[in-house]
Amino acid sequence: NAGVTQTPKFQVLKTGQSMTLQCAQDMNHEYMSWYRQDPGMGLRLIHYSVGAGITDQGEVPNGYNVSRSTTEDFPLRLLSAAPSQTSVYFCASSQGQGAYNEQFFGPGTRLTVL
Amino acid sequence: AQKVTQAQTEISVVEKEDVTLDCVYETRDTTYYLFWYKQPPSGELVFLIRRNSFDEQNEISGRYSWNFQKSTSSFNFTITASQVVDSAVYFCALSDAPGGSYIPTFGRGTSLIVHP
Repeated sequence: NAGVTQTPKFQVLKTGQSMTLQCAQDMNHEYMSWYRQDPGMGLRLIHYSVGAGITDQGEVPNGYNVSRSTTEDFPLRLLSAAPSQTSVYFCASSQGQGAYNEQFFGPGTRLTVL
Repeated sequence: AQKVTQAQTEISVVEKEDVTLDCVYETRDTTYYLFWYKQPPSGELVFLIRRNSFDEQNEISGRYSWNFQKSTSSFNFTITASQVVDSAVYFCALSDAPGGSYIPTFGRGTSLIVHP
C-alpha cells in the first residue's frame, strides 16, 4: 500500500492564482482531512470528510474548498491564493467512525504564495 | 469544545538526559482518546501511541513512557536516556467520541532538540 499520497511536494504561487492540492489514499479509509502547519501554531484543521459526498469545515476553512467524490481522493482547492496561505499542508486519513482511530498522514505539500 | 495545550514550545537537552513533554487537555465528553505523534526533521508525521479515557494505566515502550492522569487532565510523555534521533516535534492530540466529528484536535507541538 502507498498509504496517503500528496502532490505536489512543493509549489510556488503568485497572489491571486488558484490551484489544487491532491490527496489520495489506498487504505479504504472513510475519514479524510486537511491540516495546515505553521510555525508555533501546530496543526490546524481546514476541512474534513467523513465519507464520499460529505464534507465539513474545520477551524480555518476560509479561502479553501474541498470535495469528496470518491473514497480515495480528497483534493484541496485554493480559490485565490494569498500570502497568508503560505504553509505546509498535510492530508490525513483514518479508518471508520471512531475517535480511537489514529491518523495516517501524507508527506505534506510546502506552499509558498508570493 | 476540545482543546489541547502543549505549553513547552521548545526543549533542549543533552544526550542521555531524561525529558518529559507535557500535554494538558480539555473536553466535556467522558469518552475520549489521546494520542501522541512525532514529526522528525524529515517532516512526516508518525503515530506513537493512543490512550482511551477509561484506561489510566501508564504505558512503557522501550525508552518511551506515557503518564495519563484524568485528575489533572494530562497525558505526559517521557523519554528516558534521550538520543539525538529523538530530536523532533511532538504533538499531542485529543479525539472526542459520541457526538463529535472524530477528527482530532492537535496541540501546538513541542520541539525537542537533543544535543550530542
